[in-house]
Amino acid sequence: QVQLVESGGGLVKPGGSLRLSCAASGFSFSDYYMSWLRQAPGKGLEWVSYISSSSTYTNYADSVKGRFTISRDNAKKSLYLQMNSLRAEDTSVYYCARVQYTSSTRYYFDYWGQGALVTVSS
Amino acid sequence: DIQMTQSPSSLSASVGDRVTITCRASQSISTYLNWYQQKPGKAPKLLIYAASSLQSGVPSSFSGSGSGTDFTLTISSLQPEDIATYYCQQSYTTPWTFGQGTKVEIK
Repeated sequence: QVQLVESGGGLVKPGGSLRLSCAASGFSFSDYYMSWLRQAPGKGLEWVSYISSSSTYTNYADSVKGRFTISRDNAKKSLYLQMNSLRAEDTSVYYCARVQYTSSTRYYFDYWGQGALVTVSS
Repeated sequence: DIQMTQSPSSLSASVGDRVTITCRASQSISTYLNWYQQKPGKAPKLLIYAASSLQSGVPSSFSGSGSGTDFTLTISSLQPEDIATYYCQQSYTTPWTFGQGTKVEIK
């Protein structure tokens, strides 16, 4: 069965850096776009970034552009999010999600990890 | 950015009631609209994709409809296990955006 397991969350000071990882299993990882999303405490969902199956294409929300970098290692079946220059408003649970796509349905997130909490505070 | 607006923000209904949640996009998004269910402390779960396609394993009590700017998620008969927050999400263009959520409670 499809499993996505995030790791690397924690407490970091403003201006600091953190790298999240997402280990995938149960599907052919290299065939799928992958994405990061986040949810601030008590708030709604926000898409953060996506990466294409072979890393050719990436895209970011304006709120993280220039500070966050998404990457993947298909051999290791892993997705990453390097977060630099962290701010208090980046405090969230970060989810990795598999992106499903067809020309008729466009994109949707069909499997999600359990989430990793990132807290940015001094 | 495309703004997604859900209504109501919360609702309380009885077991067995028919529940309808609406989602409006700030511009036409064709049928590129997805619905997710999130239970407290859990990750979101995909319910409906492309406005009306039921994700595998999701009960048939859930259904979606709409196109253009107006969409609905319907629960035909509310059950205690349906207590959750529901989000719509557009995939017409990036940034992919979500509605603010609708919290469903049992009366």
